[in-house]
This record gives sequence, structure tokens and C-alpha cells, in this order.
Amino acid sequence: DGGITQSPKYLFRKEGQNVTLSCEQNLNHDAMYWYRQDPGQGLRLIYYSQIVNDFQKGDIAEGYSVSREKKESFPLTVTSAQKNPTAFYLCASSIPGRAPHEQYFGPGTRLTVT
Amino acid sequence: DQQVKQNSPSLSVQEGRISILNCDYTNSMFDYFLWYKKYPAEGPTFLISISSIKDKNEDGRFTVFLNKSAKHLSLHIVPSQPGDSAVYFCAASNTGNQFYFGTGTSLTVIP
Repeated sequence: DGGITQSPKYLFRKEGQNVTLSCEQNLNHDAMYWYRQDPGQGLRLIYYSQIVNDFQKGDIAEGYSVSREKKESFPLTVTSAQKNPTAFYLCASSIPGRAPHEQYFGPGTRLTVT
Repeated sequence: DQQVKQNSPSLSVQEGRISILNCDYTNSMFDYFLWYKKYPAEGPTFLISISSIKDKNEDGRFTVFLNKSAKHLSLHIVPSQPGDSAVYFCAASNTGNQFYFGTGTSLTVIP
């Protein structure tokens, strides 16, 4: 059955280390997104990609990097330059420009950096 | 600058009564609005949407109302059930390429 997979569910890292969060989808969606959620805040867009080999910065891209080498995969790297990396990270996909163009979300990865 | 706002962080409603969740936006270019439901430690799931050419969309117990002049939308849940207890996010989009989310309203339905 189709869906979005994020792994792992919980991730712990030491400060100063880069970490890569996985996101895979088998929905055949062209567009993929990364959000972070902090307590008491909405989802904030980090990066999005509308097509393979192309991606755009969202509102809070500093300290993050992405790649989109395959349609199914959109990994997010949290670099040591990200000042407050501890958060809940959500990956989503959608069919851009098609109504209803709602996004389908993965289960999320909770990253804790100490 | 928050373009989509949900000013009520929480709401409690008795089972069987109506739940009304509100959302305001600032960007008049938004043309599509969505509501998502989220349980703790899970990703949001799509609930209902509305295009800017409509002012109401209904799906079972869920109805979304859009007031473009006031830049306001609301989600009505009737009747509310304990299983509806979750955090509800509204989101807005223009062209469908980027989505802006509110901060969420935590709904508790009391049995």
C-alpha cells in the first residue's frame, strides 16, 4: 500500500554532528516537502522540491540541506550550522497544481541533539 | 511573519455538541485552504479542503466555511466525538506549490 516512510522515528545526536533524515514515498508524487514542528508552533517549511534534481528553500532553510536524486526520495541533512536542531521533522508529498492538492505526511522523526 | 493564524491554542467541547475551530489569514492571494488533523507523534492527516471560489464545503460531520472578505475560515464538527480529540491545523496555499500552516488548535471532546 502507498505512503510516506520516515526513518527512524527517534534520532539522537551529539551537538556538532551532521545527521540525515530519510523520507521515501511510493505515491508517485512529484512534489516533496520538509517541515519542522516545535512546541506551540505550526509547521514551518524547510525545503521543498517540485521535481527531481530541483529544490527550493522554504522559510527556515538555514542550517539544512537536501537532495532530490530520485522521485521517491528526499533526504534532509541537519548540519552543525543549525542552531536549534532539536524538533519534530515531517516529510510530505503532493501532486503540485492538482486540486485537491493536499499533502500527504509521513509519521515524522523526532530529532534530539544534546 | 505568520500568514496563517489560529488564535485559540485549545478548545474543549462536550461529546455530541458542535466544535468550531477558527483560522485567519493575511495573504489575499491564497486560493486553497485545508484542514489537517494530527495525533501526538504522528504526521498530520488531511481532513477537508475548500477552494477560494466556494464559501462552504461539507464532508460528513465536517464542514469548512470560508469568508474571503474577512480572510477567515472555520471548521465545524457536528456532532463532536471523543475520537475527534486531536490537534487541528489549518493551511493555505497559492498555486499549490507552497503551504502555510497555522499553529494548531488542540481539541478535546469530553465524553
